[in-house]
Amino acid sequence: LAKTTQPISMDSYEGQEVNITCSHNNIATNDYITWYQQFPSQGPRFIIQGYKTKVTNEVASLFIPADRKSSTLSLPRVSLSDTAVYYCLVGVAKIKAAGNKLTFGGGTRVLVKP
Amino acid sequence: GAGVSQSPSNKVTEKGKDVELRCDPISGHTALYWYRQSLGQGLEFLIYFQGNSAPDKSGLPSDRFSAERTGGSVSTLTIQRTQQEDSAVYLCASSPRVPLGPEAFFGQGTRLTVV
Repeated sequence: LAKTTQPISMDSYEGQEVNITCSHNNIATNDYITWYQQFPSQGPRFIIQGYKTKVTNEVASLFIPADRKSSTLSLPRVSLSDTAVYYCLVGVAKIKAAGNKLTFGGGTRVLVKP
Repeated sequence: GAGVSQSPSNKVTEKGKDVELRCDPISGHTALYWYRQSLGQGLEFLIYFQGNSAPDKSGLPSDRFSAERTGGSVSTLTIQRTQQEDSAVYLCASSPRVPLGPEAFFGQGTRLTVV
């Protein structure tokens, strides 16, 4: 299973862009990269998923270099409500593949200040 | 229901007692996951169900932990002879497919406190 490493915490200010990098050096060929957001006292919520290059949705962008050993979640123009813990996950996408116990790392606590 | 429902939301139990935690997944979701989150920590995988396949129990921390999923829907996580280190928030997630992705949703969790 690919282990992930993220910064423990990160501070930012409203309106700024926040970039969180996750390292996953032993990512497997079939592994996808998924990011989740968790607010206090709530379950995690899916943000974005990608396999390679760049993925963008209405919430964030995900940048994945060619070697796929890391990925960067980019949150544009954050607001106070983006204060949360952000988790990077790596896991297989094949429905019948074994080892679907996706592991959440410690996450990155993002604090957005006014 | 519209989302993943877990009950109870909070449970306080005495050390040594057994507890059952329930998860009602989103209708039609074939994959169901249980995770545990200790205070200030990340999520620890416990067990995973996918359709009629044998569950992946490799994350269960001890034989005091067990889980079942009846009829491919509701799941119950049972902890026998609870210990103080079992205190955590237990989260359930369901998904129409694996792995966890855009269609996966987590419940609000059950906060278990063993005193």
